[in-house]
Amino acid sequence: AQSVTQPDIHITVSEGASLELRCNYSYGATPYLFWYVQSPGQGLQLLLKYFSGDTLVQGIKGFEAEFKRSQSSFNLRKPSVHWSDAAEYFCAVGVAPYGNKLVFGAGTILRVKS
Amino acid sequence: DADVTQTPRNRITKTGKRIMLECSQTKGHDRMYWYRQDPGLGLRLIYYSFDVKDINKGEISDGYSVSRQAQAKFSLSLESAIPNQTALYFCATSDPGGGGQFFGPGTRLTVL
Repeated sequence: AQSVTQPDIHITVSEGASLELRCNYSYGATPYLFWYVQSPGQGLQLLLKYFSGDTLVQGIKGFEAEFKRSQSSFNLRKPSVHWSDAAEYFCAVGVAPYGNKLVFGAGTILRVKS
Repeated sequence: DADVTQTPRNRITKTGKRIMLECSQTKGHDRMYWYRQDPGLGLRLIYYSFDVKDINKGEISDGYSVSRQAQAKFSLSLESAIPNQTALYFCATSDPGGGGQFFGPGTRLTVL
């Protein structure tokens, strides 16, 4: 069965520091991969997605993610975190057909300290 | 105006009551979904619909039912609410191309 693991429940980083949120997936076929962000009291917003091609994908708000098939990973990165990035981040794998059914990880809560 | 709207945004109800959560979208997408979110568990799929005549159970459909009244409307019902259905419920839509799902603002449901 498909699954997504986000090993870090909480992460705290200083404003201006770099960020990496980890995501590992289990899926037998070529995955559709997504990162979403949820600000407090809000719905989920799509940050970026990977279907095929270049394994480094760029998203909104200065985020990027790298797909590593050999490690079954899709880690999210940002070179310099802003206080407004404090939120919960969810990694998801899209299963057939065409990645339309999403299986989510449990989420990582990002705290930004000034 | 928001592309995906959910009503109500907050609801408190009692055990045994029937409740309906509604979702409307203006994105023109055929595919619609209902999820629930619980702390530490992420989002779990309850039901999904790939078009008006297609309804499918998701991971946790027990205790829930849905109705796809039109392309733009997808409702979730709890026939007899119980306290462990207290959660944040999200509706989402997508197009067939797998471009990702677009989420509504959520409905916070509390069952006493």
